[in-house]
Amino acid sequence: ETGVTQSPTHLIKTRGQQVTLRCSSQSGHNTVSWYQQALGQGPQFIFQYYREEENGRGNFPPRFSGLQFPNYSSELNVNALELDDSALYLCASSSQRGTEAFFGQGTRLTVV
Amino acid sequence: AQKVTQAQTEISVVEKEDVTLDCVYETRDTTYYLFWYKQPPSGELVFLIRRNSFDEQNEISGRYSWNFQKSTSSFNFTITASQVVDSAVYFCALPTSGNTPLVFGKGTRLSVIA
Repeated sequence: ETGVTQSPTHLIKTRGQQVTLRCSSQSGHNTVSWYQQALGQGPQFIFQYYREEENGRGNFPPRFSGLQFPNYSSELNVNALELDDSALYLCASSSQRGTEAFFGQGTRLTVV
Repeated sequence: AQKVTQAQTEISVVEKEDVTLDCVYETRDTTYYLFWYKQPPSGELVFLIRRNSFDEQNEISGRYSWNFQKSTSSFNFTITASQVVDSAVYFCALPTSGNTPLVFGKGTRLSVIA
């Protein structure tokens, strides 16, 4: 059983650019959630996907968007990057029946 | 709205000491789950425990134990005989509905010194 994997692990982008982060969910899990964790803070919920549909969204602007694919892997896209978007982006997967969310190792995004 | 407060920002202990990490939560739900996660320097959030609000029995897992007190809305985490490998940031979390999304506290950074 493979765990949650995210790519890339580190990324540096320039303000105004666009970025795509990827997440492969744990085998058997059909729900993927994305979180943003700023330095020294707890993770903040961005949005969740269930069976390829967005199924909940936190307080993030529309330039944060996502996709979930038939194999339940997911992408997080951020347009028009701002300096404050610099953070660790965490992906979590969970099963329909389970209640534990299992996290990947995160992608550390730096916007300069 | 759900809220989780971890008042301790940083704690330092000497190896083999016991340490308790505090978590206070707010929810209007009558049934809910509570979670603890560990975040080592690598960044991944490691699941430690899930507790159902129906079950107020304390739980012990090796050197880890959890004290759930519904009357005071607290879910505290104790590490007995701490080790250097316990050094990490620990987060308490509460789902907004069902199992996700999770609302996290700001975390407590634990440093265990040899």
